Amino acid sequence: EVQLVESGGGLVQPGRSLRLSCAASGFTFDDYAMHWVRQAPGKGLEWVSGISWNSGSTGYADSVKGRFTISRDNAKNSLYLQMNSLRAEDTALYYCAKDVTSFPEYYFDYWGQGTLVTVSS
Amino acid sequence: EIVMTQSPATLSVSPGERATLSCRASQSVSSNLAWYQQKPGQAPRLLIYGASIRATGIPARFSGSGSGTEFTLTISILQSEDFAVYYCQQYNNWPRGLTFGGGTKVEIK
Repeated sequence: EVQLVESGGGLVQPGRSLRLSCAASGFTFDDYAMHWVRQAPGKGLEWVSGISWNSGSTGYADSVKGRFTISRDNAKNSLYLQMNSLRAEDTALYYCAKDVTSFPEYYFDYWGQGTLVTVSS
Repeated sequence: EIVMTQSPATLSVSPGERATLSCRASQSVSSNLAWYQQKPGQAPRLLIYGASIRATGIPARFSGSGSGTEFTLTISILQSEDFAVYYCQQYNNWPRGLTFGGGTKVEIK
């Protein structure tokens, strides 16, 4: 059974940093690209970032480019999102999602339950 | 960036009736479109990919159609468990990113 478990969310002040993690199991992690997708309270889905199976290709939404960095550790079956210079508008539930191929160019067949990030002073 | 626009924002339908949801892309995405269902407090679930291919385990009452810039998700006979928010997502624009529509809430009439 595929499982994606996010962690690392919490309350953080504007301008500070936070690192999210996603622990994957139930599939061959290094065969697939992975993504972060967020959902602000009461709002729709927003793709944040994606990374290929070997970290050779990454992409970011314009809203986070230059502030967020996606990475993965295939030896640990883990995905990460380093979030710097956080803003109030980054407040959201952050989902980890599995791509259907090795490259972060497609759609998502499995999702975690999310970790909540609240940016507030 | 490709902008995805879903309509209507809310659709009120009675159980047993048909629901038709629309998704429009600001430029052609070919057939590179997926649909997701999200229920309150849950993660999204993949319904359709390739504009018309049902994902594993998705009932036949869900169908997708369209290509280019105009897409439709049809739920032929609404069941109680189908009341949820539905999102479309394009995947034709890498490396310029993946984008979702704003969602359509299907509610009980």
